[in-house]
Amino acid sequence: DTEVTQTPKHLVMGMTNKKSLKCEQHMGHRAMYWYKQKAKKPPELMFVYSYEKLSINESVPSRFSPECPNSSLLNLHLHALQPEDSALYLCASSQVRTSVENEQFFGPGTRLTVL
Amino acid sequence: KNQVEQSPQSLIILEGKNCTLQCNYTVSPFSNLRWYKQDTGRGPVSLTIMTFSENTKSNGRYTATLDADTKQSSLHITASQLSDSASYICVVSAGNQFYFGTGTSLTVIP
Repeated sequence: DTEVTQTPKHLVMGMTNKKSLKCEQHMGHRAMYWYKQKAKKPPELMFVYSYEKLSINESVPSRFSPECPNSSLLNLHLHALQPEDSALYLCASSQVRTSVENEQFFGPGTRLTVL
Repeated sequence: KNQVEQSPQSLIILEGKNCTLQCNYTVSPFSNLRWYKQDTGRGPVSLTIMTFSENTKSNGRYTATLDADTKQSSLHITASQLSDSASYICVVSAGNQFYFGTGTSLTVIP
């Protein structure tokens, strides 16, 4: 199984709502990532989890709260978002080892619209 | 500074024609280079992955080349199809760090 799944596919929320994005993989990867991607731009790294611990936070606003409950799951909790947070949110996973063949596998993304 | 640059930014070609996309990088230490295809609103899908010792790798109509000395890679698409219309992203990794290029938007027209 080389698939990363993300739910929901689409999400529309108001600025006062609380919602969560979910990501799951069963490849035994111990590194998981959240990216934000605006139209016609490359993905921007938000968070990295390594062995279920937050290892990188790219100065993301606190209205985004990541959570890694176990080695297969990654959540992104959203609260009090702004319209400019509307984007495609991508989850990815990879091995932690520094192998020359280490690569990221991406999920299909969640299209988020903040009204 | 670790950077990945891609050219052209966008490209329009006729169906059936060939095209070549470029990727230049300054990432060090180099682990591997991958080309991804990303359809609009979807996650990137890996096309090829190349390590330091590999010069050429093919995946169907996609052929990637790597010159580790000049730190350049290219992705050649032969006999383009309408379904090739997408963004193509070059990603260079240094251990557990992944550096993304800005992508090339390819449009194939009938």
